[in-house]
Amino acid sequence: AQKVTQAQTEISVVEKEDVTLDCVYETRDTTYYLFWYKQPPSGELVFLIRRNSFDEQNEISGRYSWNFQKSTSSFNFTITASQVVDSAVYFCALSEGDTGFQKLVFGTGTRLLVSP
Amino acid sequence: DAGVIQSPRHEVTEMGQEVTLRCKPISGHNSLFWYRQTMMRGLELLIYFNNNVPIDDSGMPEDRFSAKMPNASFSTLKIQPSEPRDSAVYFCASSLIETQYFGPGTRLLVL
Repeated sequence: AQKVTQAQTEISVVEKEDVTLDCVYETRDTTYYLFWYKQPPSGELVFLIRRNSFDEQNEISGRYSWNFQKSTSSFNFTITASQVVDSAVYFCALSEGDTGFQKLVFGTGTRLLVSP
Repeated sequence: DAGVIQSPRHEVTEMGQEVTLRCKPISGHNSLFWYRQTMMRGLELLIYFNNNVPIDDSGMPEDRFSAKMPNASFSTLKIQPSEPRDSAVYFCASSLIETQYFGPGTRLLVL
């Protein structure tokens, strides 16, 4: 069965610190997608990134970067030089080819608090 | 382009009343999903549609919940009768291929 684990419940940092959010997944499928979503205090869920199981290249987008390692079944998310606006709950999610990539399974989320 | 639109944004009702949540997916998307978010259970998929047809409703908690998608641009999630334990944030999402885009959610409080 597919499963996503975000062991860090809450992380507190001071502005400008770097922070890494961990995500470990379990799946028997060889074809799958991994996602990160952001849920700011206003409550909406914002899509950040999608990665397929055949693409282990790391990705950088501004202050955000993602490290996908199939060997450790991890898809970690790093924010460089964090800002107060980064304060949110971040969810990692997985969808499998067996379900036509239709069913998203979410982790329990990591709450990030960035203080000035 | 407009994102996923949900209404109402907030709903307060009394136990036993019927509640109807509405969703307009992103134009051109062919899949629509209903999720529920609570502190205890996190984000749960309730039901999803492909091309207006319900594909998997295994997440619908019980018969009090029903969902319809009469056309490609509109879906409803109905709770009848509502109970206090239904209090949650209900999200609608739509997708064309793999990535789901979420609406702002409806915060439901059943007293």
